[in-house]
Amino acid sequence: GENVEQHPSTLSVQEGDSAVIKCTYSDSASNYFPWYKQELGKRPQLIIDIRSNVGEKKDQRIAVTLNKTAKHFSLHITETQPEDSAVYFCAASSNTGNQFYFGTGTSLTVIP
Amino acid sequence: NAGVTQTPKFQVLKTGQSMTLQCAQDMNHEYMSWYRQDPGMGLRLIHYSVGAGITDQGEVPNGYNVSRSTTEDFPLRLLSAAPSQTSVYFCASSYGGADTEAFFGQGTRLTVV
Repeated sequence: GENVEQHPSTLSVQEGDSAVIKCTYSDSASNYFPWYKQELGKRPQLIIDIRSNVGEKKDQRIAVTLNKTAKHFSLHITETQPEDSAVYFCAASSNTGNQFYFGTGTSLTVIP
Repeated sequence: NAGVTQTPKFQVLKTGQSMTLQCAQDMNHEYMSWYRQDPGMGLRLIHYSVGAGITDQGEVPNGYNVSRSTTEDFPLRLLSAAPSQTSVYFCASSYGGADTEAFFGQGTRLTVV
């Protein structure tokens, strides 16, 4: 099956700085790559996603880039704010489109 | 819309007991799934369903059963609880399969003693 690796596991940044989280995947047939944010004690919620026919997608302070050749994708958060503090998960869909495979998560702390 | 609703929120079981975690969605999504979340391991797929009457195994199906008799409901059964099943369980649904946005329930924190 698909193998998704996520780095770093923890990340601390000063408020206003940028944060970058990276993921790699193993199945070249994967075609959907979402990012979820999970606040403490809450459910995961989608913040941005990208499909394999797109190289970059942006939504205000959040952007995702995808390099299909290298099989990696990254989440970029600019002008970080304390409310960005959470655990972020990347995921990749299986080649059948029936299963998500999640990374192990990155705990982001934004220091005011 | 309530979205995805899970019950209970918390549960303590003794080793060997069985129980059912309930999951219901009111968005008419065909695809539903169950995950367990353990520290440092992210979310791992237990079972999934692409529609009523159809279920399949995910990464970590051992010790769990599911059924999908209606579009709305997707219960997860623990047959004989073990301490290794202590975890947070999330149900999720998607309108178009695992290549569309997943909407998660609020989670069930299960402790097996």
